[in-house]
Amino acid sequence: AQSVTQLDSQVPVFEEAPVELRCNYSSSVSVYLFWYVQYPNQGLQLLLKYLSGSTLVKGINGFEAEFNKSQTSFHLRKPSVHISDTAEYFCAVSLLGANNLFFGTGTRLTVIP
Amino acid sequence: DTGVSQDPRHKITKRGQNVTFRCDPISEHNRLYWYRQTLGQGPEFLTYFQNEAQLEKSRLLSDRFSAERPKGSFSTLEIQRTEQGDSAMYLCASSLAFGPNYGYTFGSGTRLTVV
Repeated sequence: AQSVTQLDSQVPVFEEAPVELRCNYSSSVSVYLFWYVQYPNQGLQLLLKYLSGSTLVKGINGFEAEFNKSQTSFHLRKPSVHISDTAEYFCAVSLLGANNLFFGTGTRLTVIP
Repeated sequence: DTGVSQDPRHKITKRGQNVTFRCDPISEHNRLYWYRQTLGQGPEFLTYFQNEAQLEKSRLLSDRFSAERPKGSFSTLEIQRTEQGDSAMYLCASSLAFGPNYGYTFGSGTRLTVV
């Protein structure tokens, strides 16, 4: 069975400061990894994904994530956050050959002016 | 075609009533998914269609839930005899084909409140 753990339910950070949102997964087989962002009253938007190759993945809005197989982690980072980054962020995994995504419980990022 | 559309955006219903939600995927996408998101949780997979065929259903999809996708275009999700535990955001997503390379496009969801 697979699972996704987002260790922090809420992360407050000052504007222009760096941020890291943590995600760990467990799976007995290879997985694909994703980060999604959800703004209030909206659906989910894909930030970035890791399928294979380089472990450092760059996404939209200046976000990046690093896949660490030995630590089964896929932490999301941004060097300088903006007010507009305030949202809920979800880490998700998909098993090879599977038709659906398994999501973590989300991390609410609040950027403080 | 600007994305995945869901209707209605909000629905308040009394316990025991039936409700139906609609999802219009991106027109060329042949895969359509339904997810449920309860407060404080991430989305949970309910079911998916490839064209008009419903190929997989989660055990979360009790017999009070039914989904259809006639003609492989829009989809409906019906909940019969609603319960307070059905209160959630119901998200629809579509993709062009199988595989994570194609990604999902999510709609804005239908928020159901059962009172």
